Amino acid sequence: KNEVEQSPQNLTAQEGEFITINCSYSVGISALHWLQQHPGGGIVSLFMLSSGKKKHGRLIATINIQEKHSSLHITASHPRDSAVYICAVETSGSRLTFGEGTQLTVNP
Amino acid sequence: DTGVSQDPRHKITKRGQNVTFRCDPISEHNRLYWYRQTLGQGPEFLTYFQNEAQLEKSRLLSDRFSAERPKGSFSTLEIQRTEQGDSAMYLCASSLTSGLAVYNEQFFGPGTRLTVL
Repeated sequence: KNEVEQSPQNLTAQEGEFITINCSYSVGISALHWLQQHPGGGIVSLFMLSSGKKKHGRLIATINIQEKHSSLHITASHPRDSAVYICAVETSGSRLTFGEGTQLTVNP
Repeated sequence: DTGVSQDPRHKITKRGQNVTFRCDPISEHNRLYWYRQTLGQGPEFLTYFQNEAQLEKSRLLSDRFSAERPKGSFSTLEIQRTEQGDSAMYLCASSLTSGLAVYNEQFFGPGTRLTVL
């Protein structure tokens, strides 16, 4: 069993839909990161959080430390949101352990 | 551009050859990380440096792999006697960490895609 599990692996949505990607982890962490990866490899950090909820534009990230679970929500999805979304947990030395990613496709 | 840069962006080599990749972090960042990502998978941690000291290495980093950060600025990752299983995207990230920081944001480079024939 991977230390970080994401669901779903693939997600297809219509423009405007509300999207949720889930992440569960099994290790002790200092923080959880949500990252976005576009084709070609570039990775961009979206959120870092260790408790509660953070919002940036149409993106919302929540974390429940007791349940070891986090969610990434996208409101009013748009085709430009199409990318791979990766959950990663920060452990000792600030090394990141990554989930396998969720491929999101938003159709117009 | 003051982001993390990696060179080369693509490398094709024959099995058994040695390859070296370079990563230039954001200039004031004291931590530098190397990750490897195979197709369809999330990245995996390889190693990281704080300044010039290599503080942690993954078990994934076999004896054929070596990384250096001689002056605490740029870093190199060398793979000796490459194998087809080494084909992957090699990602570098950097961060600025202090003793007071609870956690730190890592900034990623564009990656070096290695293909071993």
